[in-house]
Amino acid sequence: NAGVTQTPKFRILKIGQSMTLQCTQDMNHNYMYWYRQDPGMGLKLIYYSVGAGITDKGEVPNGYNVSRSTTEDFPLRLELAAPSQTSVYFCASSYTESDGYTFGSGTRLTVV
Amino acid sequence: GQNIDQPTEMTATEGAIVQINCTYQTSGFNGLFWYQQHAGEAPTFLSYNVLDGLEEKGRFSSFLSRSKGYSYLLLKELQMKDSASYLCAVKDSNYQLIWGAGTKLIIKP
Repeated sequence: NAGVTQTPKFRILKIGQSMTLQCTQDMNHNYMYWYRQDPGMGLKLIYYSVGAGITDKGEVPNGYNVSRSTTEDFPLRLELAAPSQTSVYFCASSYTESDGYTFGSGTRLTVV
Repeated sequence: GQNIDQPTEMTATEGAIVQINCTYQTSGFNGLFWYQQHAGEAPTFLSYNVLDGLEEKGRFSSFLSRSKGYSYLLLKELQMKDSASYLCAVKDSNYQLIWGAGTKLIIKP
């Protein structure tokens, strides 16, 4: 049971480039989330999904897009990367909206 | 607005007890979570409180007072491996998790 798997672990992007952060969970969780974590700040919700085919914006969605074609996968797309997107990104999942979250190991992204 | 407050940093001695406080102001309340996050790693779940009172789990306990918008995490018999950040998070009326910035706990021998 792998839990929540994120790839890549590290990435350096140039301004204007695009990339997809991958997230897969094998726990049959309905709810999946993308967060970013900046130094000295609480985790900020980017997008979330309550099930396959359903996604919704969180607190800081600008510059990002997501899709949820299957229960297992919830990729995060960055279009036209900007230095403000330099951060650590965490994917998380939960079985219900009341449960605690299981986090992936994170992706450290630097935009230069 | 919604707000979670916790101390930025605390220092304690190995073998001692430390209490990390968290106060919150949110639109609704559907539970409070504590997570541990070691440097460079993902947060891991520690505890969940939805009713007032104390929840004990081994060396860690968490307390909640909904009327005061207050929680604390109590760590006993501190070990060096407890050096980490401790994140307080509250589920609001929309079941969205609102996160505090975390408390960095430094354990000294």
